[in-house]
Amino acid sequence: KNQVEQSPQSLIILEGKNCTLQCNYTVSPFSNLRWYKQDTGRGPVSLTIMTFSENTKSNGRYTATLDADTKQSSLHITASQLSDSASYICVVTPANFGNEKLTFGTGTRLTIIP
Amino acid sequence: ETGVTQTPRHLVMGMTNKKSLKCEQHLGHNAMYWYKQSAKKPLELMFVYNFKEQTENNSVPSRFSPECPNSSHLFLHLHTLQPEDSALYLCASSRPGLAGGPGANEQFFGPGTRLTVL
Repeated sequence: KNQVEQSPQSLIILEGKNCTLQCNYTVSPFSNLRWYKQDTGRGPVSLTIMTFSENTKSNGRYTATLDADTKQSSLHITASQLSDSASYICVVTPANFGNEKLTFGTGTRLTIIP
Repeated sequence: ETGVTQTPRHLVMGMTNKKSLKCEQHLGHNAMYWYKQSAKKPLELMFVYNFKEQTENNSVPSRFSPECPNSSHLFLHLHTLQPEDSALYLCASSRPGLAGGPGANEQFFGPGTRLTVL
């Protein structure tokens, strides 16, 4: 069964600090891997997307990495801001299916404190 | 603004009530989705519509009934729900059939409807 596991489940850091969120997946083969940010009371919004051949992708202070050999991805947040407080969800698309077969992780709840 | 709107944002209903959730997308997409998001669980896909045709029903109980009158609107009709159905219901849309590329498989989500069943 395709699975996506994220760690830690929750994380609290001081404003201005860096942090790294982890995603391990068993989906294989896969088409792409996305990181979504979900603010409280809002729907998820895509931050980065990487295909199986990409190792890293940046979006401002967010940098995602991908190791297709070990089936691991990470999301690194630099110089965190209060607005980074949200849930971060790792989503993997299997290669042989369309949009409807996305596999979602449970997310990491990140809290930034001043 | 993601271009996907959902109403109502919050809904409290009894187990004998009938209510409907509405989703509208302004992105010109042809695929629309209903998801259920419960605390500490991954998003669960409920229904998929491609070009107004239902292409996926993920073993959802019949007390949830979707309707897609056109490619811009999606409804979820609710009746005789159970307390365990309380969750955030998210609608999403996408362009189906895109293979590869940075926009492939991207689903755009609405803000969700927070449903509480008493």
